[in-house]
Amino acid sequence: GAGVSQSPSNKVTEKGKDVELRCDPISGHTALYWYRQSLGQGLEFLIYFQGNSAPDKSGLPSDRFSAERTGGSVSTLTIQRTQQEDSAVYLCASSSRASGANVLTFGAGSRLTVL
Amino acid sequence: DQQVKQNSPSLSVQEGRISILNCDYTNSMFDYFLWYKKYPAEGPTFLISISSIKDKNEDGRFTVFLNKSAKHLSLHIVPSQPGDSAVYFCAASTGNQFYFGTGTSLTVIP
Repeated sequence: GAGVSQSPSNKVTEKGKDVELRCDPISGHTALYWYRQSLGQGLEFLIYFQGNSAPDKSGLPSDRFSAERTGGSVSTLTIQRTQQEDSAVYLCASSSRASGANVLTFGAGSRLTVL
Repeated sequence: DQQVKQNSPSLSVQEGRISILNCDYTNSMFDYFLWYKKYPAEGPTFLISISSIKDKNEDGRFTVFLNKSAKHLSLHIVPSQPGDSAVYFCAASTGNQFYFGTGTSLTVIP
């Protein structure tokens, strides 16, 4: 596609429920990142996928968080047993390193509110 | 540990004047530095970058300066326009890892 697509754009859920957030990166981009931005905070790295390599999960805050990337394209971020502190905007970005800087292209984000 | 810091959460500037946004970092291994701009309800969009081997990069009204000895970079916007009002994130990268600051909210007053 022309840009990075994320769905849903908004999700309200009750504490304890599971949620899935989807990211469709730019076609041909081999790298995919998930970040989150909590209210008043910066962008917090969650997980990084590069091609067929094992993902870098070092940013996932707990074992309730997991992500997968199928076929090197679409990615799903799953949060199990959601807590109120999970409320944030979850941003997906993709990149394809060309010459020069490796630039991330972000989606519009999925705003998660846990009641 | 915050490797990239933006110590000013907000900045207000009159239209037509210069906006200067600052960013400090701690890791001397960063090889690229980037600025992103974010409007409400949108994802951050890439604005300008600079390689660690340079000290200045200019693109129209936007110039980024890098001072490696001080581990400091800045974004200059001149002249500032009301449409520049947004949150600006500084980012630094090494390999495929990116580290972002907490952002500076710029308001350009007409």
